[in-house]
Amino acid sequence: GNSVTQMEGPVTLSEEAFLTINCTYTATGYPSLFWYVQYPGEGLQLLLKATKADDKGSNKGFEATYRKETTSFHLEKGSVQVSDSAVYFCALSQGAQKLVFGQGTRLTINP
Amino acid sequence: DVKVTQSSRYLVKRTGEKVFLECVQDMDHENMFWYRQDPGLGLRLIYFSYDVKMKEKGDIPEGYSVSREKKERFSLILESASTNQTSMYLCAISYGGGAHGYTFGSGTRLTVV
Repeated sequence: GNSVTQMEGPVTLSEEAFLTINCTYTATGYPSLFWYVQYPGEGLQLLLKATKADDKGSNKGFEATYRKETTSFHLEKGSVQVSDSAVYFCALSQGAQKLVFGQGTRLTINP
Repeated sequence: DVKVTQSSRYLVKRTGEKVFLECVQDMDHENMFWYRQDPGLGLRLIYFSYDVKMKEKGDIPEGYSVSREKKERFSLILESASTNQTSMYLCAISYGGGAHGYTFGSGTRLTVV
């Protein structure tokens, strides 16, 4: 079946550092790929998405590129801020529209 | 923007109680989902529904049931709450096909004592 694997957290960085959170997936065909963010005490919000190979999703300074050859969708940001502290989930959907999530990565940014 | 509302942010229930978690959307979307979120396990699908009176089991349906009598409301039911059902419960809707992702409610943190 479909699955998503994220790098384990927690991840702690200093403000203005470069961020990468790795995500790889297993699926047949061509799933759609997503990153969601969950701020403390809130539900999940869609951060960015990509629906086909080589697409780049971007939002709020975050980027991720759909890499079919490596089955990856790594999340990156060039300069993180304290307000980026949250839990980040990688996810895919295919066919029946059910989303399959990774286990989440907790990110803490120190000033 | 579509809005998904979960009726309670925090609930504390006793073991053996019947618990209802409510989720309401303000648009006419067919697809609604219930997940639970646990540390280190991510989100796991409990049940979902693609239309009124329709329901499908997700990956972890044991100990849960659902009700969808109206399109805008999808209820999760714990028939006899147990301590291992202490968790964060998240409702979501999808629209426009799988490529658009989901919109989530704010979640209900349930503690069973």
